[in-house]
Amino acid sequence: SQLAEENLWALSVHEGESVTVNCSYKTSITALQWYRQKSGEGPAQLILIRSNEREKRNGRLRATLDTSSQSSSLSITATRCEDTAVYFCATYPNYNVLYFGSGTKLTVEP
Amino acid sequence: GGIITQTPKFLIGQEGQKLTLKCQQNFNHDTMYWYRQDSGKGLRLIYYSITENDLQKGDLSEGYDASREKKSSFSLTVTSAQKNEMAVFLCASSRLGGQSQNTLYFGAGTRLSVL
Repeated sequence: SQLAEENLWALSVHEGESVTVNCSYKTSITALQWYRQKSGEGPAQLILIRSNEREKRNGRLRATLDTSSQSSSLSITATRCEDTAVYFCATYPNYNVLYFGSGTKLTVEP
Repeated sequence: GGIITQTPKFLIGQEGQKLTLKCQQNFNHDTMYWYRQDSGKGLRLIYYSITENDLQKGDLSEGYDASREKKSSFSLTVTSAQKNEMAVFLCASSRLGGQSQNTLYFGAGTRLSVL
């Protein structure tokens, strides 16, 4: 079973719209990370949100964390075609290993 | 800044073949990882190495060997390639493991196809 999991396999929006990707996790955490993987590339970290933080921003990106419901969301405002990618949440349920969800594939259409 | 270089970019093998993938990083990071990514799926950890001379199995280690030759390089061997196997192998590095706030930096991947 997945220790971290995005709730949708795929999403499609038009350029300029806002979109939210959700994630749920199964263990206690000290931090949750969001990564983005563009086609042909490795994943790259977007945001790290600590367990004592409720919200974290990075430009057009906003991550929230709700430790009581063990869930997180990543919102992107004013989407662009270059935001097209797979978005992963990831957590460290044990000491050394980062576990990734299956990812949500976001397509931003012109 | 730094970079992770994975070689080769594409690897085509035959069933039963032993195949080796290589990874180099110049971040001077202590910890390195090998993940496998199947089409449309998440990343699954094969092996990781917390420091030079250390080797730890991940959830998917069966059928693979790994070697941390030096701090900057980490190799993965597919001991016997499976017919019709297709996956992307991703190498990553981070500062010393055990820190949940560590960022992982990934290479672009090696795409494996087995005929």
